[in-house]
Amino acid sequence: EAGVAQSPRYKIIEKRQSVAFWCNPISGHATLYWYQQILGQGPKLLIQFQNNGVVDDSQLPKDRFSAERLKGVDSTLKIQPAKLEDSAVYLCASSFLPGQRTFGNTIYFGEGSWLTVV
Amino acid sequence: DQQVKQNSPSLSVQEGRISILNCDYTNSMFDYFLWYKKYPAEGPTFLISISSIKDKNEDGRFTVFLNKSAKHLSLHIVPSQPGDSAVYFCAARDTGNQFYFGTGTSLTVIP
Repeated sequence: EAGVAQSPRYKIIEKRQSVAFWCNPISGHATLYWYQQILGQGPKLLIQFQNNGVVDDSQLPKDRFSAERLKGVDSTLKIQPAKLEDSAVYLCASSFLPGQRTFGNTIYFGEGSWLTVV
Repeated sequence: DQQVKQNSPSLSVQEGRISILNCDYTNSMFDYFLWYKKYPAEGPTFLISISSIKDKNEDGRFTVFLNKSAKHLSLHIVPSQPGDSAVYFCAARDTGNQFYFGTGTSLTVIP
């Protein structure tokens, strides 16, 4: 079974520039998550999709971050304009809906997209 | 507000001995708990999980214990191996299928 795919793996940009990250979840996973992980901290949820609808984006800084999942499969996360404090790993993850499988859902992560803003 | 907490940022253990990683949570509605392992420059990898209706789940060298009354879970690794050296995150799932993560514990297994 193929895992969660993310690209690019690494990106260095100057502040005020824009960047976009792409994610392809595990086949059949209806739920897709974008997490931000700053060095030394745990992953923080930015946005959660169920199919192509947004379930939770309460922690997404909407003045500069946007995300979409148009066909309920791939997703993109965009930052425009970037700030120094956006330097982090952006993790995409996916899972089945609780009803899709027997009790015992698990969230699977991609390898992450490492962003450095200078 | 941190709903899942790992109060020990680091832990060192001798090879062959037991590693015990701890995690506390505040939300009594969490129904599923997981442990992830993370190597540098990689994404977190699922390790083991437990549902809220159980108090123990074992998979090889890894055992997770859940104490619902204390809102505490722990991961035991026996015997510890140098390849277990990584950052371990505990996570909890709420009824909205949202996952909350702790800040991680860096485990070093000394050969």
